[in-house]
Amino acid sequence: QQPVQSPQAVILREGEDAVINCSSSKALYSVHWYRQKHGEAPVFLMILLKGGEQKGHDKISASFNEKKQQSSLYLTASQLSYSGTYFCGTELDNQGGKLIFGQGTELSVKP
Amino acid sequence: SAVISQKPSRDICQRGTSLTIQCQVDSQVTMMFWYRQQPGQSLTLIATANQGSEATYESGFVIDKFPISRPNLTFSTLTVSNMSPEDSSIYLCSVARANNQPQHFGDGTRLSIL
Repeated sequence: QQPVQSPQAVILREGEDAVINCSSSKALYSVHWYRQKHGEAPVFLMILLKGGEQKGHDKISASFNEKKQQSSLYLTASQLSYSGTYFCGTELDNQGGKLIFGQGTELSVKP
Repeated sequence: SAVISQKPSRDICQRGTSLTIQCQVDSQVTMMFWYRQQPGQSLTLIATANQGSEATYESGFVIDKFPISRPNLTFSTLTVSNMSPEDSSIYLCSVARANNQPQHFGDGTRLSIL
């Protein structure tokens, strides 16, 4: 039931782009994306509801393909501050808002 | 977003003892959740803390080991009972105003059992 994220880790140079994928074996009601820096709490990035949403702010955006039961997070022109572990959290229908998190994708942005 | 205060931030405990972790929110929230996170790993949901009723536990977690209280819409506690070294982990509370709303996390409690 845990969603599968890919890749597990990625190393970028500043200014490069990255895509992180999140796939579920079950139909999804919504997908949440979080970033967690070492020793800190996860920080909310965005939420996508079923219906094929695509959202974005600044240079981080995400899409949700309900049919394929997957979501992708797009980071463009990466900055050093983007480094951290990215988690997708998936919500199924009628689950009272609870999330099941993927295993995480560790992103390192180098100068 | 809500301001969440989680206490203690860290503790070192003896085997067989219990520790209660507090989660205080600066505004009323419908949903509160408790997670466990091993270093370098994902977040595992322990339970949903329901105001005025018993918590809803996930598979692998039981009330006798992790009793939870939720006396009102701004406060919850998680107790880790009869601790063993396997309980060493980071425990996090999160809150959300409703379904399909972001979850916001407390800073976590880093627990070590000797």
